Amino acid sequence: GAGVSQTPSNKVTEKGKYVELRCDPISGHTALYWYRQSLGQGPEFLIYFQGTGAADDSGLPNDRFFAVRPEGSVSTLKIQRTERGDSAVYLCASSLMESVNTEAFFGQGTRLTVV
Amino acid sequence: LAKTTQPISMDSYEGQEVNITCSHNNIATNDYITWYQQFPSQGPRFIIQGYKTKVTNEVASLFIPADRKSSTLSLPRVSLSDTAVYYCLVGGDFSGGYNKLIFGAGTRLAVHP
Repeated sequence: GAGVSQTPSNKVTEKGKYVELRCDPISGHTALYWYRQSLGQGPEFLIYFQGTGAADDSGLPNDRFFAVRPEGSVSTLKIQRTERGDSAVYLCASSLMESVNTEAFFGQGTRLTVV
Repeated sequence: LAKTTQPISMDSYEGQEVNITCSHNNIATNDYITWYQQFPSQGPRFIIQGYKTKVTNEVASLFIPADRKSSTLSLPRVSLSDTAVYYCLVGGDFSGGYNKLIFGAGTRLAVHP
């Protein structure tokens, strides 16, 4: 497809388990962002990739959260030892970097529920 | 990054013009002003972006006064499908090499029949 794709759309996991969330950005987009959104709040920045490298991971809440983008395209957000407080919608976005006016395109998100 | 302040919620009726104002007193010289729209169960969607004066596209208009300390998103003749959350973002941290998007709580617009 032409847009940002996130899988799975929904994920229910037990407390303490490990989860992986996948993001397929728009082809050719070098910038990739992960956000987390809790009910009634705006998206919260987690991490930004420029190409393969994490240029800014200042939003990751703790060391249970990790993200990779090994080939500069698909990215995976990994959460270890999940906690109920990790329940949220995880959003991925991508954008071109050549232009100053860089519109970010968001996926529909992965709804993570930790029970 | 400049902080933004916008109303928590607004109500309108079909066919009316809606204006949502955002305050950003600490906007920096190289910052752009961008608005995103978000429907339930979807990711945010870019609406419009501007630097100064007025910008218009097929969806909305963005008015930015000379001091750039505020901006107003104008939606002409809203319909029920415009019910969504609208976010005002200020940024463009190009010294860091990327455009970091920082979202606030947004404005929940409810359009009534």
